Amino acid sequence: DAKTTQPPSMDCAEGRAANLPCNHSTISGNEYVYWYRQIHSQGPQYIIHGLKNNETNEMASLIITEDRKSSTLILPHATLRDTAVYYCIASYQKVTFGTGTKLQVIP
Amino acid sequence: NAGVMQNPRHLVRRRGQEARLRCSPMKGHSHVYWYRQLPEEGLKFMVYLQKENIIDESGMPKERFSAEFPKEGPSILRIQQVVRGDSAAYFCASSLSVGQSYEQYFGPGTRLTVT
Repeated sequence: DAKTTQPPSMDCAEGRAANLPCNHSTISGNEYVYWYRQIHSQGPQYIIHGLKNNETNEMASLIITEDRKSSTLILPHATLRDTAVYYCIASYQKVTFGTGTKLQVIP
Repeated sequence: NAGVMQNPRHLVRRRGQEARLRCSPMKGHSHVYWYRQLPEEGLKFMVYLQKENIIDESGMPKERFSAEFPKEGPSILRIQQVVRGDSAAYFCASSLSVGQSYEQYFGPGTRLTVT
């Protein structure tokens, strides 16, 4: 797995977009970018993944730079329930979790 | 479609006993992964299995821990002669390979407490 770097924590106002950055400068050609989150002590939740193109689903959007060395997860309208630790992972099969970004959504 | 199921949700064992944790993957998923999360720490990969095969066990402790994913039935993570340091949340995930992407879906976890 390629090493990823994320800010340890971020705040976001409720209702605003949350933009979570991730650096993965050593990503290899067959590695996907995955995003997961863990709310409190629950099981991690898959959010989205992508290889080269930007992706959007009902939860979030994923923007991957053209050189694939970084990406941004966008939660378009953050709610209090989005408060969680968000993990960015560059991987082929096995998922290796780093320390992630602790997102606090503020009322 | 039911999600990943794990049981038991909570398990208490005395030191020296055996712990068996079960994981039923999502329907149609043939890849299973086990992770451990110690209190106040991140998730650590333990083992990756496909039906009847261990693909990657690089995160498994060398002794006392074993995992299997038989042709029929759930995946089992077995911890023999448990010690206090084994107290943790154990999460199972499953995936369905689509091309080369392996997004994983996690179960609710089993909280193991060793007394």
